[in-house]
Amino acid sequence: DIQVTQSPPSLSSSVGDRVSITCRASQSITRYLNWYEQKPGQAPRLLIYAASTLQSGVPSRFSGSGSGTDFTLTITGLQPEDFATYYCQQSYNIPYTFGQGTKLEI
Amino acid sequence: QVQLQESGPGLVKPSETLSLTCVVSGYSITSYSWGWIRQPPGKGLEWIGTFSHSGITSYNPSLKSRVTISGDTSKNQFFLDLSSVTATDTAVYFCARLRYSSGYPLYDYWGQGTLVTVSS
Repeated sequence: DIQVTQSPPSLSSSVGDRVSITCRASQSITRYLNWYEQKPGQAPRLLIYAASTLQSGVPSRFSGSGSGTDFTLTITGLQPEDFATYYCQQSYNIPYTFGQGTKLEI
Repeated sequence: QVQLQESGPGLVKPSETLSLTCVVSGYSITSYSWGWIRQPPGKGLEWIGTFSHSGITSYNPSLKSRVTISGDTSKNQFFLDLSSVTATDTAVYFCARLRYSSGYPLYDYWGQGTLVTVSS
């Protein structure tokens, strides 16, 4: 299985800040990397797929970058509704493994 | 608008089979692939497997001997069966649509999730 490691596990920030979350795969996954946001009691919501393509309806303050083994999710200008847990997922090989999550807190 | 809704028993006894249904509305299950993902309480997400209407399935090797995903196109729903459950199978189970964009797999629509507890 391809292992996916996210960092940091948690992050404290403030409204208006710029934050970055990283995801590292145990082998090259080219650009087969998705990012999801999950709020308590809710299902995950797709933010970005193919490493950098913004899902329809997702605000442009979210962006993704990277290829190979190293990827980054950046949120520019944090909004109150962005405080949530973020997961990356590799979709290069089955099983489509997820990172451990990054909890973004105020 | 695609909507997915999971249903099934909230409590299953150890060694028994966990069976869940995902009812899909707004889109035919013959047009995409579909999957199950689970999340133990307070923990991260685990990919279980996928199903397509053509009968092609893929499973997580860690669960492969115990899991079956199937569908009923006449009722536009698909199913998860997980046998010989233990307490470690306690989780919120999500169903989701698997779409391919330029060849890249992604889960774009999810059900709200259903909590299944394994306990005697």
